[in-house]
Amino acid sequence: GQNIDQPTEMTATEGAIVQINCTYQTSGFNGLFWYQQHAGEAPTFLSYNVLDGLEEKGRFSSFLSRSKGYSYLLLKELQMKDSASYLCAVMDSNYQLIWGAGTKLIIKP
Amino acid sequence: IAGITQAPTSQILAAGRRMTLRCTQDMRHNAMYWYRQDLGLGLRLIHYSNTAGTTGKGEVPDGYSVSRANTDDFPLTLASAVPSQTSVYFCASSPKEKDGYTFGSGTRLTVV
Repeated sequence: GQNIDQPTEMTATEGAIVQINCTYQTSGFNGLFWYQQHAGEAPTFLSYNVLDGLEEKGRFSSFLSRSKGYSYLLLKELQMKDSASYLCAVMDSNYQLIWGAGTKLIIKP
Repeated sequence: IAGITQAPTSQILAAGRRMTLRCTQDMRHNAMYWYRQDLGLGLRLIHYSNTAGTTGKGEVPDGYSVSRANTDDFPLTLASAVPSQTSVYFCASSPKEKDGYTFGSGTRLTVV
């Protein structure tokens, strides 16, 4: 079966760095997405990785290792507004997105 | 403002009633999707449409139907609602299957 695993909840301190991991097993691979979802709102696109390596976009970076079925989202200089759920999703061989349950990130002052 | 509009924002529905959730996009995206999101579970695909005139079943299609008469609209119908269909429903679209998704603001549905 297809499976996306990510931690349920993480806590970090304002100004610090946090890494949210995602491991996946899917039928085929056509890219990995990270989305941010604030409580009561829709998911919004953060990043897309299809090749191995690190993609940096401001305070957020995303890493992919296809051989290990592994990705992480790195958030630097954490701000209170970063408190949200972070969703990992993999596009399978049928170009369908398979979603993880999300990681709730709590930022403390 | 370009994007996806969902209606209603929220609804309380009696079990056994029929309900249509509306979704309209003005980005001319080919692909559209309906998801439900339940606490502790990932987004689960109900139905999808890769282009106008075609639809397909996702992971949890039972009890739901869709139509795609044109590019912009993708309504989701619950023929006879049951309490297990209580959820938050998100409509999404993408230019092609390979692109990231844009989500609507969601419909919170409670079936009692």
